[in-house]
Formats: sequence, C-alpha cells, structure tokens
Amino acid sequence: DTAVSQTPKYLVTQMGNDKSIKCEQNLGHDTMYWYKQDSKKFLKIMFSYNNKELIINETVPNRFSPKSPDKAHLNLHINSLELGDSAVYFCASSQDRQGLGNTIYFGEGSWLTVV
Amino acid sequence: GQNIDQPTEMTATEGAIVQINCTYQTSGFNGLFWYQQHAGETPTFLSYNVLDGLEEKGRFSSFLSRSKGYSYLLLKELQMKDSASYLCAVKGGYQKVTFGTGTKLQVIP
Repeated sequence: DTAVSQTPKYLVTQMGNDKSIKCEQNLGHDTMYWYKQDSKKFLKIMFSYNNKELIINETVPNRFSPKSPDKAHLNLHINSLELGDSAVYFCASSQDRQGLGNTIYFGEGSWLTVV
Repeated sequence: GQNIDQPTEMTATEGAIVQINCTYQTSGFNGLFWYQQHAGETPTFLSYNVLDGLEEKGRFSSFLSRSKGYSYLLLKELQMKDSASYLCAVKGGYQKVTFGTGTKLQVIP
C-alpha cells in the first residue's frame, strides 16, 4: 500500500480553470504538507496542517485553498489557474514527536501544467 | 526566517567519495534532513541529525554542527545510480521543514 497517495498524477488544464489535487496518507501521521517544486527544482513549502488545523501558511496566493476533512486527508484546491502555477505539487506527511526523527514522507507528486 | 545554502551542482567519479555541504541560518532548530531525489521522482529520506556529530548508514553518512550551522552528506563508493539531486532541509519551529535548492550530483565513469 502506498503510504502517501495523491491524485491526479498528471493534470493539464487551461488558464482560468479551477482544479483540485487530493492527498491521503495511511501512516497515522498528525501532520500533512503541501510543497511546490518549480522548474528550478526548488521544493518550497506552501501549507502545513496538524490534526486538521492550519499551522503553516506561507505567502501563497489566496487562489490556493487547502482543506483537511480529517487528519488523513489534505486536499489542495486552486482557483483561476495561471501559467506560473505549472509545477509539481508534492503532498507529504510526518509524525512529529519531540526529540525523535520526524521523517517526512512524500507522495509521488502531481504534475500540473497550465496552458 | 530560514536560509539554506548548498552547491548547485557537483561531479564525482564512480567509486570515489563525495561530500555535499549545507549551511543554514534558522530561527529555531529541530533537526536537519537529507533527501535524495532522482529526476522526475519523489524525494526519499536519507538521514536525520538533531545532535552534533556523524551518523553513518551504509555508504551514506551525515554530519551536523549546530554551533556552525553546518552539515554535510558523505557518499562513499559512488555508484552511477547515485546520480541525483540531494536536498538539505532544516526543521524549525511549528514543524516547518524548509528545503535548500538541492545539489545535483553527477557520477561519471
């Protein structure tokens, strides 16, 4: 079973459209993330949720809205897509415990292309 | 804020040893990760350091000096399959993990 799974893996859409990427983790982790990796391969954090609560919200346009219905799911909805949104979006999760390794497990990525 | 620096690219020979350095400046420190990412694939975990010193795991070792804001990843007996990007990441407060821009390592015969 895949630990962190996200769908769709590939998405090609036109400018102005609204799209969603779904993510689920079956590791029982409390924290989930969305990262964006652009063409320069820089992996940048967008959001982090802990037990369904938003704890990190980087300077991301409000066209991006994360939703966490429960701690195993963190979906990303994007409104009014722009060309610059083309990137690979990685969902990830971790179990945060003080003093212990808190490995982040990544999903396989969702390759978004806006045309 | 957090600032992480690592070389953009490195080239090394198959069978050799390579050291990839990472320096960081961060508000709050709760550990440093190294990840490997092959082109078009998912980042995969290599190591985690939270205390000073060297952690060895097979051909890969990672070193941390918190006072110097410095880490390195050491790869021994390089293999062609080690050609990948190596990402240094620092965990600050509020479970925020910030990644460096990555070092693209090319292993040549």
